[in-house]
Amino acid sequence: QQQVKQSPQSLIVQKGGISIINCAYENTAFDYFPWYQQFPGKGPALLIAIRPDVSEKKEGRFTISFNKSAKQFSLHIMDSQPGDSATYFCAATFSGSARQLTFGSGTQLTVLP
Amino acid sequence: DVKVTQSSRYLVKRTGEKVFLECVQDMDHENMFWYRQDPGLGLRLIYFSYDVKMKEKGDIPEGYSVSREKKERFSLILESASTNQTSMYLCASRWDRATGELFFGEGSRLTVL
Repeated sequence: QQQVKQSPQSLIVQKGGISIINCAYENTAFDYFPWYQQFPGKGPALLIAIRPDVSEKKEGRFTISFNKSAKQFSLHIMDSQPGDSATYFCAATFSGSARQLTFGSGTQLTVLP
Repeated sequence: DVKVTQSSRYLVKRTGEKVFLECVQDMDHENMFWYRQDPGLGLRLIYFSYDVKMKEKGDIPEGYSVSREKKERFSLILESASTNQTSMYLCASRWDRATGELFFGEGSRLTVL
C-alpha cells in the first residue's frame, strides 16, 4: 500500500506551458515533503522541498503548493522548457528520518519544443 | 561535490546466480542506502547502513543482503538472483535531515534471465 500517491504517471506539455504534478499522502505524521528530479541515465536529485507550516514555496519556475487539510501537495513548473523533461518523484517523511522517506510512483514529464 | 559511484551500470545475469552490486562514496558519509526503482512503484528502500558493519532492513529486504566493511563502500548482494529482481538499483549516501536530501548514484540496471 503506497502511502504517497502520485499522479499523473506521464505528462506531455508544450514549451512555455504549466506542468502540474499532484501527490496525496495518508500518514498525518509526515512533516517534510521533498521533490526529486531524475534525468534519463542519472540518479534522482533533490529539486525543492516544503514543510507543512507553509502553503507554498517557490524556487525559480518551480512551486510547491501544500494543502494540509486535504493531505495533498503539488509541483507546478511554470514556463516549462524541454530541459525540464525528466521523471519527478514526490516524497514524504517525518522526524527527519531517512528510514521513513516514502516516494511516490513518479511522473514522466515530456516538454515538447 | 558529493560523488556516489556505482561501478556496474548494466548487468545481465542468469537465474540462480549470485550478484554483487557495488557502491562507493567519496565524502566520508555515515549513512548509505540501496533503493530499487521500478516503473509505477517509485523508489523503494531495500537496506540502509548508518555505520560500518551496521545495517537495517528497509521496506523490501527479501532476497537481498548487504555488506559494509568499509565506510566508503556499501554492497548489495543477491544470493540467488530471480527474474523478479530485474530492476534499476540506486545507491545513495548522506541523508541531510535539514533538507531531506539524499545523494544518489547513477544506478545499476540489472536484468535476470
